[in-house]
Amino acid sequence: KAGVTQTPRYLIKTRGQQVTLSCSPISGHRSVSWYQQTPGQGLQFLFEYFSETQRNKGNFPGRFSGRQFSNSRSEMNVSTLELGDSALYLCASSFGVGRMNTEAFFGQGTRLTVV
Amino acid sequence: AQSVTQLDSHVSVSEGTPVLLRCNYSSSYSPSLFWYVQHPNKGLQLLLKYTSAATLVKGINGFEAEFKKSETSFHLTKPSAHMSDAAEYFCVVTGTIYNQGGKLIFGQGTELSVKP
Repeated sequence: KAGVTQTPRYLIKTRGQQVTLSCSPISGHRSVSWYQQTPGQGLQFLFEYFSETQRNKGNFPGRFSGRQFSNSRSEMNVSTLELGDSALYLCASSFGVGRMNTEAFFGQGTRLTVV
Repeated sequence: AQSVTQLDSHVSVSEGTPVLLRCNYSSSYSPSLFWYVQHPNKGLQLLLKYTSAATLVKGINGFEAEFKKSETSFHLTKPSAHMSDAAEYFCVVTGTIYNQGGKLIFGQGTELSVKP
């Protein structure tokens, strides 16, 4: 069974630009979550989408947004990029329902560098 | 609010000796807890999970963890370290009362070094 796929793996963008990252979850999973990983702040939760609706949101500015499609694939967008947005962005998928199926499976991540 | 504290930012052991990575959690409800491992330039891999069943949880690669509610701890152990265990380890708690895995709260991570 295919794992979580994130594209692209690497991105270099200029300050002020916007960027879109993509995540394809494991087949059958309806929840997709996004995390930002930086050396200083560690792993921080951005938001979660379940059945095309944002179900949970972290403490990030409105420049960070996302969406989920009917096939559960998700995209996240960052507008007006800042140098501090340079990070590894990780996507995770899970069933999203049921207390016993709580584990999340992560993709390899997208390494975003803002110059 | 949910939180996780990993008590050591770096642990160094010799190959063949036991591993202990310490984690304390704070939760206002009965949580689900996980340990994930991240090798350099790789994504996160689930080692094991606790979801209110057995308090001693066995995971992959010989790792196990014990949930102790009275101590609010979920320490990760392995009887004998292998060179391939060198990586960063994250203790994780679910972030909502529904424990559905969609929102995870991560500890700051413990880097494990294994000396030959």
